[in-house]
Amino acid sequence: EADIYQTPRYLVIGTGKKITLECSQTMGHDKMYWYQQDPGMELHLIHYSYGVNSTEKGDLSSESTVSRIRTEHFPLTLESARPSHTSQYLCASSVHRGLGNEQFFGPGTRLTVL
Amino acid sequence: AQSVTQPDIHITVSEGASLELRCNYSYGATPYLFWYVQSPGQGLQLLLKYFSGDTLVQGIKGFEAEFKRSQSSFNLRKPSVHWSDAAEYFCAVGAQDAGNMLTFGGGTRLMVKP
Repeated sequence: EADIYQTPRYLVIGTGKKITLECSQTMGHDKMYWYQQDPGMELHLIHYSYGVNSTEKGDLSSESTVSRIRTEHFPLTLESARPSHTSQYLCASSVHRGLGNEQFFGPGTRLTVL
Repeated sequence: AQSVTQPDIHITVSEGASLELRCNYSYGATPYLFWYVQSPGQGLQLLLKYFSGDTLVQGIKGFEAEFKRSQSSFNLRKPSVHWSDAAEYFCAVGAQDAGNMLTFGGGTRLMVKP
């Protein structure tokens, strides 16, 4: 069982609010990722990190930002939420070194912006 | 760059029937291939992966997949489907020259008839 946690699981918030989605893992993984997934659709990588103080943008442009101050923690922040941000956000982690490493996923945060 | 195609968006099978979900990839070198399952409102769980060696890979929950280089395919199979297998299934390809980043297919939604 993978030890990767996301909070909150569900969030309904009004337009213009600042939100932070939390993601933590206890596996000591160097690499962490954030994906955005609309219902029934594919995953789109929006941010990733190779380790502490490393953050990169993914394939899908996003207005969110991330930080990586501790190995185990990779929060995602939206400074001003909009209805277009309504989606499911999935956090994942993986070992950095080696080949063929799978990603372990958290349960996701379903965000609804009114 | 690598890419993944899952040709079937929806599949419906009867409980007890066999199942095959198709996955085709595009990548110039030997890929790392994964199958994940996602239950409604949940994160992704790894079913199995192919890294090297035996091209028939056994996974959890009675699933298996076969890597066929000549067909650029990695189809997922199960001999007898259970109602609890109803979920979304994602195929993914990883590449060493892309820092082991994963590219996901669009997913196949499996429905199981009683």
